[in-house]
Formats: sequence, structure tokens, C-alpha cells
Amino acid sequence: GAVVSQHPSWVICKSGTSVKIECRSLDFQATTMFWYRQFPKQSLMLMATSNEGSKATYEQGVEKDKFLINHASLTLSTLTVTSAHPEDSSFYICSASSGAPGLAGGDTQYFGPGTRLTVL
Amino acid sequence: GQQVMQIPQYQHVQEGEDFTTYCNSSTTLSNIQWYKQRPGGHPVFLIQLVKSGEVKKQKRLTFQFGEAKKNSSLHITATQTTDVGTYFCAGLASNTGKLIFGQGTTLQVKP
Repeated sequence: GAVVSQHPSWVICKSGTSVKIECRSLDFQATTMFWYRQFPKQSLMLMATSNEGSKATYEQGVEKDKFLINHASLTLSTLTVTSAHPEDSSFYICSASSGAPGLAGGDTQYFGPGTRLTVL
Repeated sequence: GQQVMQIPQYQHVQEGEDFTTYCNSSTTLSNIQWYKQRPGGHPVFLIQLVKSGEVKKQKRLTFQFGEAKKNSSLHITATQTTDVGTYFCAGLASNTGKLIFGQGTTLQVKP
């Protein structure tokens, strides 16, 4: 159980184009989905948190107009990298949890397989 | 802001040797989670520790959560080549519900 998929697994695009990445929870309802970015040999950096049906909360320094997040249903969240540039090349990973954030004890996040974006 | 520091960054061991990675948080955590990421892969959930002083074991892996719920460790006994990867701790901040990842410890095991 608790499987999260991401699509596509890798994408190469030209500078200036937009890329959409999908994150799906396959066997559970994800009230909260998280989007992370990971540069080579570095840790995961949280970009934004999204709750189904509401606007995403972005971390400091993350441009919300550049990284558009939509969490339209309890099983799907999308990240769109708009007007991508080479510096946006990275490994983007989503995670999903079924519990409410902030509760004592928290909730496990289940990670998708990641999307490797290369912008030429 | 809240930080989780993890050491060491890299560790090379001979197969059969033990390995330990340590995490320290600047603030008290609701829980701490451990993940393993193989080269080219994504983080895979290993375990979650919630209670102060909690110790959990998974075969050769032993996880500890400090009494103050600010530090944690992962110890692998008699490493094997299949243990290769990067181990991340991630602390759940009680006030935000966000996971704060440590920098990770990359383990290399020489056969």
C-alpha cells in the first residue's frame, strides 16, 4: 500500500517552455502533497505544500508564479515549471500523506519516484 | 529557521563493519523519520520514531530517538553491500507539520 506515482519520470525541454509534472497517490487519498527539489548529491528541499482544494503554500525563496501547483483532487497534484531555464534542471520529487499536518505524531510521507528535468 | 544537521556527510566502510549516522535538530520534533535513497532512486521510508527515548530495530538497523526529541541516530551492524545509499533523517516540526530533511549520509561499502 501507500504507492505514489509521478509522471513523467524524466523530461528534456528547451529553455522557455513549460513542463507539467503529475503526482498521484494510487491507493490512498492524499489530503496533503509536498513538492521537493533535489540537486545532485544534496538533500531534499521543500518547495511547497498543497492541500486538496486550496492554494499551495510556498517556501521562502520559491517563486509561486514560476512553479505552479494544483491539487485538484485527493489523488492528484501537479507542478508546472513555467518558462523553464537551465537553472531549473533538477530532480523534482513529490510526496503524499493521508493525515493532517501539524498533528502530534505527524504522518508518514510517501514519496514518488521523482522526475528528472533537464532544460537545454 | 529550523534545521536538522546530519553527520557524517560520507562514510566508507569495509563490508562487515558497523556504521552510524547522527541527526541533531535545532528544535524539538514531533517525530523523526528515516529514509534511504539508492543512487538514482527516490527516498524510501524506513521508519518513524515518535516517543522520547524510543529505540526500534529492523534486522541489522537500530534507530534511536533522543530523550529531548531533538536528536536521533541510525546504526547498522555488520554492513553489507546492499546497504549502500544515502540515509536521510527528517524531523517533523510540530508547529508547521513540515518535514525538515538532514543533509544525508552517503554510505559506501567495500566488499
